[in-house]
Order: sequence, then structure tokens, then C-alpha cells
Amino acid sequence: AQSVTQPDIHITVSEGASLELRCNYSYGATPYLFWYVQSPGQGLQLLLKYFSGDTLVQGIKGFEAEFKRSQSSFNLRKPSVHWSDAAEYFCAVVTGNQFYFGTGTSLTVIP
Amino acid sequence: SQTIHQWPATLVQPVGSPLSLECTVEGTSNPNLYWYRQAAGRGLQLLFYSVGIGQISSEVPQNLSASRPQDRQFILSSKKLLLSDSGFYLCAWSVGRGLFFGSGTQLSVL
Repeated sequence: AQSVTQPDIHITVSEGASLELRCNYSYGATPYLFWYVQSPGQGLQLLLKYFSGDTLVQGIKGFEAEFKRSQSSFNLRKPSVHWSDAAEYFCAVVTGNQFYFGTGTSLTVIP
Repeated sequence: SQTIHQWPATLVQPVGSPLSLECTVEGTSNPNLYWYRQAAGRGLQLLFYSVGIGQISSEVPQNLSASRPQDRQFILSSKKLLLSDSGFYLCAWSVGRGLFFGSGTQLSVL
């Protein structure tokens, strides 16, 4: 069965520091992978997606993610975090018509 | 461009009352439509998805139902709300690869 694991429930970083949010998936074939961001009381916004090709994908707001098949991972990164990046982040894998989400990582940014 | 509308944004309902949340998509045809629920501090739970008019798949047995009376309209309903139905409800659509969300409805059942 397909599943997505986000090991970190909550992460705190200082503004200007680098960020890496972890995502591991379980899926038999080549996955389609996504990262979403959710601000409080809002819907989810697509940050980036991976379907095939270059394993390093660029997204909006300065985020990037790297697909590593050997590690079944799709970690999200940002070189320098801004206070406005504080939000909930979700990793997702899609198979057929169904999207499977991780439980999310809550990011706090301190000045 | 495609847009998705979901309403109301917030709703407070007494236990035992009915529910109807509506979602419409513009700018696309024959989208797959989804209803998710997000409990406080938790991830997304897929409730229903639809690949076409009148075609509804339920992921979790519960007090809710869904209907798709038109190609771009998806409705989430309940005849009698329970306290446990409280949460943040999200409608989403996809055509091909990618899932796009509405702004959500915060439902409080008191």
C-alpha cells in the first residue's frame, strides 16, 4: 500500500537559517510526489512536484526538493528561511486518482 | 485559468442538525473532485472522491455523504451532525497530475 511519512511533527528554525523537511514514501513504482504548504485557516498551496526527469525540482517561494529513489525520500529544502515561511507543510504521493498525504510538519520561524 | 470555490468559510452547527457544503470548479471539464477533512493538528483524511457525475467513492465509513450533481459541483452532506464531525473540510480538484485545493470550511459542531 502507498504511504507517506513525515518524521518531524514540528521544526523550529531561525530566520535566515537553512531548512530541510523530510518526507519518505512507500510506493512500488515511480511515484509522483508533491509538497504543499498550508497557512492557518487556509487551503493547501502547491509548492512543487516531481513526476520524472531531473531529481532536483524547483518550486515557488524559493523552495526545492530532491527525489532520491535509493532512500525513498523527497525532502524539501530552502537555503534561507523567511518569517513568512512559518506554516504547515505536507508531502504527498499520487497513484491513479488518489493522493496520499503525510501527517504534516509544522514550521516555526524565530527572529 | 481554473479556480475552485468552496463555501461557507466557517460554519457553526448544533449536534443533530444537517450539513451541506458546496464546492464548484471553473475553467476545466471533467475534473476529479475530492473532499478531505483535517482535524486540529492532524493531517488530511480523504473522505470522498469522484471521477465523474454521480460517481462517488467513499474512503471512510462515517456520518457523511457526497454527491456530484453536475460535472463541476461537489457537495458534502450529513443528515445529523455529530460532535466528531468538527474539523476543517477541504475540497480539491485534479485533472491529470496535480491536486488543487479550495480555501476550506471550518466546521464547528456544538
